[in-house]
Amino acid sequence: DADVTQTPRNRITKTGKRIMLECSQTKGHDRMYWYRQDPGLGLRLIYYSFDVKDINKGEISDGYSVSRQAQAKFSLSLESAIPNQTALYFCATSESRTRDDYGYTFGSGTRLTVV
Amino acid sequence: AQSVTQLDSQVPVFEEAPVELRCNYSSSVSVYLFWYVQYPNQGLQLLLKYLSGSTLVESINGFEAEFNKSQTSFHLRKPSVHISDTAEYFCAVASGGSNYKLTFGKGTLLTVNP
Repeated sequence: DADVTQTPRNRITKTGKRIMLECSQTKGHDRMYWYRQDPGLGLRLIYYSFDVKDINKGEISDGYSVSRQAQAKFSLSLESAIPNQTALYFCATSESRTRDDYGYTFGSGTRLTVV
Repeated sequence: AQSVTQLDSQVPVFEEAPVELRCNYSSSVSVYLFWYVQYPNQGLQLLLKYLSGSTLVESINGFEAEFNKSQTSFHLRKPSVHISDTAEYFCAVASGGSNYKLTFGKGTLLTVNP
């Protein structure tokens, strides 16, 4: 099983619908992140969480919300999807206690299309 | 604030040729630097990283990158590429101490042709 699992892998939804993307991890990491990837724009940070009680906005949080249900689970919601939210979404985790690491572990991504 | 500039959006090369993917960063504090690789239809995988110590870091598949503080660069190189190296490569920078977050460049698509 993958260390970081994202569901669904692909989703097509209609404008105005609410949709939730889920992320779960078995790494035991305390930090989790949501990024979106758009062609030519790289990865941009949407939200991040340093522990269950700590949620922070990233550079492009408008139109999104998150929930950290447990250390291992971090969900991203689009309350009312719009076409420019069509993108590839990645969840990532990292470990704060291992100062020599500083690396992220990524999930395989969710490809979301809003029509 | 930190930022990353990848100077080339696409780099086409022939198999067995050398390649350099360029990355420049800006940050007002000490930084940690990373290269990630994304193969088609996959997530990102860590290729190599610079945290401290030797400025030349290497990956297990023949890539290397050199941290140049004076030029604020972290270019990725490989002396001889393979078809299987075709992928998108992202440079990333982290700063801010224990509350670091990664900021990514826009990516460079490396296409290795036979």
